[in-house]
Parts: sequence; C-alpha cells; structure tokens
Amino acid sequence: AQSVTQPDIHITVSEGASLELRCNYSYGATPYLFWYVQSPGQGLQLLLKYFSGDTLVQGIKGFEAEFKRSQSSFNLRKPSVHWSDAAEYFCAVGAGGSQGNLIFGKGTKLSVKP
Amino acid sequence: DSGVTQTPKHLITATGQRVTLRCSPRSGDLSVYWYQQSLDQGLQFLIQYYNGEERAKGNILERFSAQQFPDLHSELNLSSLELGDSALYFCASTSHPNTGELFFGEGSRLTVL
Repeated sequence: AQSVTQPDIHITVSEGASLELRCNYSYGATPYLFWYVQSPGQGLQLLLKYFSGDTLVQGIKGFEAEFKRSQSSFNLRKPSVHWSDAAEYFCAVGAGGSQGNLIFGKGTKLSVKP
Repeated sequence: DSGVTQTPKHLITATGQRVTLRCSPRSGDLSVYWYQQSLDQGLQFLIQYYNGEERAKGNILERFSAQQFPDLHSELNLSSLELGDSALYFCASTSHPNTGELFFGEGSRLTVL
C-alpha cells in the first residue's frame, strides 16, 4: 500500500537559514508527488508537484524539491527561510488511477526563530 | 484564495447529533474530495465525487455520507456524532483528478461535546 513518511514532526530554524524537510514514500509505480503547506487556521496550499521529467522542481515562495527514485524521497528545500514560512508542511503521494486522491504524511511543523 | 468555499467554518454540537458540511468547488472543477484532519490520524481521505457520482471511498465511517449535486456543490453528512469525530473537515476540488493536484478549502472545524 502507498504511504508517506515525514520523519521530522517539528523543526526549528533561524530566519535566513536554509531548510530541508524530509519525505519518503512507498509507491509501486512512478508516483505523483506533492508538497502542501498549511498556515494556522488555513487550508492547504500547493507548494509544488512532481509528475515526471526533471527531478528538481520549483514551486511557489522560493521552495524547491528533488525527486530521488533510488531513495524513494522527495525532500523540500529552501535556501533562506523567512519568518512567514512558519507553518505545517505536508508531503503527499497521488494514489493514481482515475481517483486521484492523495495520501498524506503526518506533516512537519516549521518554526522560525528571529 | 483557492476558490473552494466551505461552510460553516466552525460548528459545535453534541454527541448523537447530525450535521451537514457544505462545499462549493472551484468554478469548472468536476471532482470534489472530502478529507478529515485530526491530531491522531492526520489527513485522511474520506470520499471523492466526480460530476455527481461517487468515484472513490477512503476511510469514511458508515455514519458519514456525502453527495454531489447537479450544480457540483457537495455536502458531507455526519450523523450519530461521537467525541472522536471532532476534527477539521476539508473539501478539495480539481479539474485533473488523474494527477491528484487538489485545491483545498479552508475547512470546517467540527467540535463534538
């Protein structure tokens, strides 16, 4: 069965520091992979997606992610974190087929120190 | 603003009661999904509709039901509510269901007392 693991429940970084959030997936075929962000009291917003092709994908707000098939990973990165990036980040894999529903990881909460 | 509208934003009710959550998808999106977010279970897929027909079911309890109407809005009905049903319920829509790229509403927070 498909699954997504985000090993870090909570990460704190200083403003201006670089960020990497880890995501590992289990999926039989080539996955559709996503990163979503949820700010407090808000819905989920799509940051970026990987369907195929270039394994380094760019998203909104300066985020990028790299798909590594050999490691079953899709880690999210940002070179310089801003205080407004504090939120919860969810990695997800598309279940595929005609359903398209997503399987989410448990999320990583990002705190940003001034 | 994702373009997905959910009402009500907050709802407090008692055990044993029934509630209905409403979702208006983005203009043109035929697919609607319902997700439940709770502290212990995380984000769980409940059910998907496509142009009025049920397409996929996830971890949806028998006490819960949903439907999508001809105008494409959807309702999630939760009955015989229990304390454990307290959660944030999200609706999402998409025009590309094969890809899983979803647009989420802000959610309806249900508190069962």
